[in-house]
Amino acid sequence: KAGVTQTPRYLIKTRGQQVTLSCSPISGHRSVSWYQQTPGQGLQFLFEYFSETQRNKGNFPGRFSGRQFSNSRSEMNVSTLELGDSALYLCASRPGQGFGSTEAFFGQGTRLTVV
Amino acid sequence: QKEVEQNSGPLSVPEGAIASLNCTYSDRGSQSFFWYRQYSGKSPELIMFIYSNGDKEDGRFTAQLNKASQYVSLLIRDSQPSDSATYLCAVSSNTGKLIFGQGTTLQVKP
Repeated sequence: KAGVTQTPRYLIKTRGQQVTLSCSPISGHRSVSWYQQTPGQGLQFLFEYFSETQRNKGNFPGRFSGRQFSNSRSEMNVSTLELGDSALYLCASRPGQGFGSTEAFFGQGTRLTVV
Repeated sequence: QKEVEQNSGPLSVPEGAIASLNCTYSDRGSQSFFWYRQYSGKSPELIMFIYSNGDKEDGRFTAQLNKASQYVSLLIRDSQPSDSATYLCAVSSNTGKLIFGQGTTLQVKP
């Protein structure tokens, strides 16, 4: 069974640009969560999608948005990039049955550097 | 107050000792509790999960949950240098939101 796939693995962008990150969950998993990881802040929850609907949202500005497609693949978009957006963005996949009762499987992450 | 709090460490223990990692959470409605391990440059991977009050053992690892005190812990017995990593506590609410603590860095010295 294939794991969680995130693309691209590495990305360098300039301030003010926008970026789209992609996550393909484990086959059969319907829940995809996104996290931002930085050395100072740890793993911060961005949002969760389940069956194409945003089920939960963290405390990030509106520049961060996401969506989920009918095949459960998810994209995350960050507009008007700031230097502080440089981080490792992790996607986590869960089956989705029952709220919160199952473990999350992580992708390898996308390392975003904003210059 | 952070939703999930951990001491960032580093926690340093000698090889063969017991490492004790602690975590507190603020949402009394939380239902599921997880411990993840993250090696430097890698993604988090699940070590254990616990849903009910009490202890749960898996090999050298024991998770402890006290919902009244909103406290979760992880004990690692016979610590090995390969256990050196960051340990992340994660808590899931009844809405499905999975929130992580900042992580505790564990160093096991040979």
